[in-house]
Amino acid sequence: NAGVTQTPKFQVLKTGQSMTLQCAQDMNHEYMSWYRQDPGMGLRLIHYSVGAGITDQGEVPNGYNVSRSTTEDFPLRLLSAAPSQTSVYFCASSYSLREMNTEAFFGQGTRLTVV
Amino acid sequence: GQQLNQSPQSMFIQEGEDVSMNCTSSSIFNTWLWYKQDPGEGPVLLIALYKAGELTSNGRLTAQFGITRKDSFLNISASIPSDVGIYFCAGQQHNAGGTSYGKLTFGQGTILTVHP
Repeated sequence: NAGVTQTPKFQVLKTGQSMTLQCAQDMNHEYMSWYRQDPGMGLRLIHYSVGAGITDQGEVPNGYNVSRSTTEDFPLRLLSAAPSQTSVYFCASSYSLREMNTEAFFGQGTRLTVV
Repeated sequence: GQQLNQSPQSMFIQEGEDVSMNCTSSSIFNTWLWYKQDPGEGPVLLIALYKAGELTSNGRLTAQFGITRKDSFLNISASIPSDVGIYFCAGQQHNAGGTSYGKLTFGQGTILTVHP
């Protein structure tokens, strides 16, 4: 039972570098989303997707791009990393039954440090 | 952006004690959820609440969806060492079509430490 798989688990980047955080789910969930977790601030929504080819911005989208070419994958791209993007990133997926089964399954997270 | 105000920020308790934490918001939410996060892991769902006034239990955990739809609380009875972790409340709001697209708004978290 893989669930939601995130890679890498840890990453150190230099300011200005680019990278892609990978997220894959094997539960055929329609909804996928990316959150960042910072101390004392809980998790904040970066981008989300309601299906292949459909994405939208969350609360803190600046500096991040996403795409959803397949149901399974939802990568998060940092085009030019900044120290303010040092955080723990979580990918989540959920299914679209009529809001009575809205459990979001989370990956184990990617701890990113930008120096 | 919208925020959920979660309190307390941290708790230090003795094994066997009961724990209570709550979340409030200035906005109405259609669903309230409580998650637990262990170190190095992603959040895991503990309890989901779908109706105002709903009281739901999961073992030693009990949670309630406030009647105003703007608050929720979580109680843990007879705490044990494995209850240690960060507890988050989260809310979902539905659009006109009745869906939230899976988007969650989180509280700041309550760090729970249990002394044996």
